[in-house]
Parts: sequence; structure tokens; C-alpha cells
Amino acid sequence: QLQLQESGPGLVKPSETLSLTCTVSGGSISSSSHYWGWIRQPPGKGLEWIGSIYYSGTTYYNPSLKSRVTISVDTSKNQFSLKLSSVTAADTAVYYCARVDTTGTLDHWGQGTLVTVSS
Amino acid sequence: QSVLTQPPSASGAPGQRVTISCSGSSSNIGSNTVNWYQQLPGTAPKLLIYSNNQRPSGVPDRFSGSKSGTSASLAISGLQSEDEADYYCAAWDDSLNGPVFGGGTKLTVL
Repeated sequence: QLQLQESGPGLVKPSETLSLTCTVSGGSISSSSHYWGWIRQPPGKGLEWIGSIYYSGTTYYNPSLKSRVTISVDTSKNQFSLKLSSVTAADTAVYYCARVDTTGTLDHWGQGTLVTVSS
Repeated sequence: QSVLTQPPSASGAPGQRVTISCSGSSSNIGSNTVNWYQQLPGTAPKLLIYSNNQRPSGVPDRFSGSKSGTSASLAISGLQSEDEADYYCAAWDDSLNGPVFGGGTKLTVL
């Protein structure tokens, strides 16, 4: 059974870079039929797509975050990662990783990790 | 401001049927399939309906989806207390080259 697990610091200082990793188990990140994505949810608010990556390294970013986001993949570790630079309090959210199929369906989600931006 | 529009809340008594609407545009719902996600309190979203009206394995047939033009809806029949959750619609957006979401609808079982 496919599982995704986010990991990384739960507290980041303003202006610094948020870094998270998603570890995929029970399946290969090198699937030709899927992308791997990051989604966030500020406390009490809705979902926002951050970006996606294919195992080959091809990336797609939300234009609203594109200047600050980098998503990378490590197929040898079955992991993909998110870096969000110059964070502010507005970036405080639960960050989810998910598997994305070719229709854009997020069919498997990680449990999510809360990242708080505060000094 | 979410790209897709949903009512913020919905409610119904146990056993009743409720519907949740989702409105978009030609670049998302109008040209791509719609998915629905259920988010129980304190948990991650879970895929509930995909490709407009398909249920993943394990999702009861009380849940159904439909799409027409640039709008979609989720229907829940035989409402149960465990259906209390937030429901999000989503669709691929050709302009964004990624998925867009509705703002979510909080379902209360009276």
C-alpha cells in the first residue's frame, strides 16, 4: 500500500527557507504514470497547490509562489523535497505531499506536517 | 480567494440527502474532470470522487458526483454522523498547469 510521509522542521524563522522532504513507501517514485506534488493549508483555510515534479525532474509551480519555490526529486531514496525561500507568517500552514495522476487527481496524501513561521 | 466556488457550509439530518455545488470556468471544470476530497477533522484530505463520478475502492455508494459544463456537484444520501467533514472540489486548470481547489464546504449532520 502506497504511503507518503512528510518530514522537516516545524518552526522556521521569517526570511529563512522552509525545507521539507516526502518519503514514498510501498511504491516507486519513478512511476511513469504519476507526478508528485506539494499542497498547503493555512490554519482554518482551504487548500493551495504549490507545485509538482515528475521523476525525471520536470517541475510545475504555482505562479503565485514560483519565484520562491524549488521542488526536487531523489529517485535513489524514493523521496522528493520542497524548498520555500523568504518565508513570512503567511506561509504558516500544514504542508502535504501527494501523488498526482495524469488527470491531476491527488490519489494518495501524506498525513501533513505543520510548519510555523515565527521568530 | 479560491478559483473554484463552493458554499461555505451545508447541513442535513441523519438519513437525508445533501448536495454541495462547485462552480468553475472553461479553463478548469469546463475542460477537465472534477475530483472531490473529504477532510475529516484533524486529518489529511482523502480522495472521495474522481473523474466527475467515480468512487475509489472503499468509498460507499452513498457518495456520488456529477458535472455539467463549468459546474459540478457532490451528493451524499443517507447522511450519517461520520460524514461530518470538510469537502473540497478540485480540477486541473489549463492556465495554471496544476490543480485548483474550491474553498471547501463544511458539512454538519444535525
